[in-house]
Amino acid sequence: DTAVSQTPKYLVTQMGNDKSIKCEQNLGHDTMYWYKQDSKKFLKIMFSYNNKELIINETVPNRFSPKSPDKAHLNLHINSLELGDSAVYFCASSQPGQGAHNEQFFGPGTRLTVL
Amino acid sequence: GENVEQHPSTLSVQEGDSAVIKCTYSDSASNYFPWYKQELGKGPQLIIDIRSNVGEKKDQRIAVTLNKTAKHFSLHITETQPEDSAVYFCAASPSSNDYKLSFGAGTTVTVRA
Repeated sequence: DTAVSQTPKYLVTQMGNDKSIKCEQNLGHDTMYWYKQDSKKFLKIMFSYNNKELIINETVPNRFSPKSPDKAHLNLHINSLELGDSAVYFCASSQPGQGAHNEQFFGPGTRLTVL
Repeated sequence: GENVEQHPSTLSVQEGDSAVIKCTYSDSASNYFPWYKQELGKGPQLIIDIRSNVGEKKDQRIAVTLNKTAKHFSLHITETQPEDSAVYFCAASPSSNDYKLSFGAGTTVTVRA
């Protein structure tokens, strides 16, 4: 069973297009995340939702809009794609509880290439 | 915000030798320090973590140490094997935000057979 899944795995598109990446987790977690990993492998958090509520919104262009239809899904929509958006995007989920940090489970990643 | 620095950026070791990766953090309020391993083409996976109320934790060939005074923590891998080849990330999380992890830049470890 895949714990955190993302679709598509690869996405190649032209500059200026709009695209979406979908994420689903079957772990029953309340919290989901989107990370961006650049070509130098640097991992940076973009957004986090807890029970469909946005709790982390880092300095990300407003062309990026996350949507959480329910707590098992967190999708990422990107408008007007730019060359600098090329990266691997990871979805993750966790179940923090009562002041204790817990493991974040990552999906396999979506490699976005903007031409 | 939290700033995590990680060294070295690349590490090549002979199979059977030890590997050590070091991280420093800036926010003295951080109290959770996980280490993630990312294999080629996959997402990061937690391998060990340590909380600020302990100084050392060990799990088979992997150990992590934490020095809160100096604000640094390290990952030690003993008796390295080819399957240990991967990118390793340290991270830190402040007690004020259970959800947010700040990652180091990663260390690419290569174990030579």
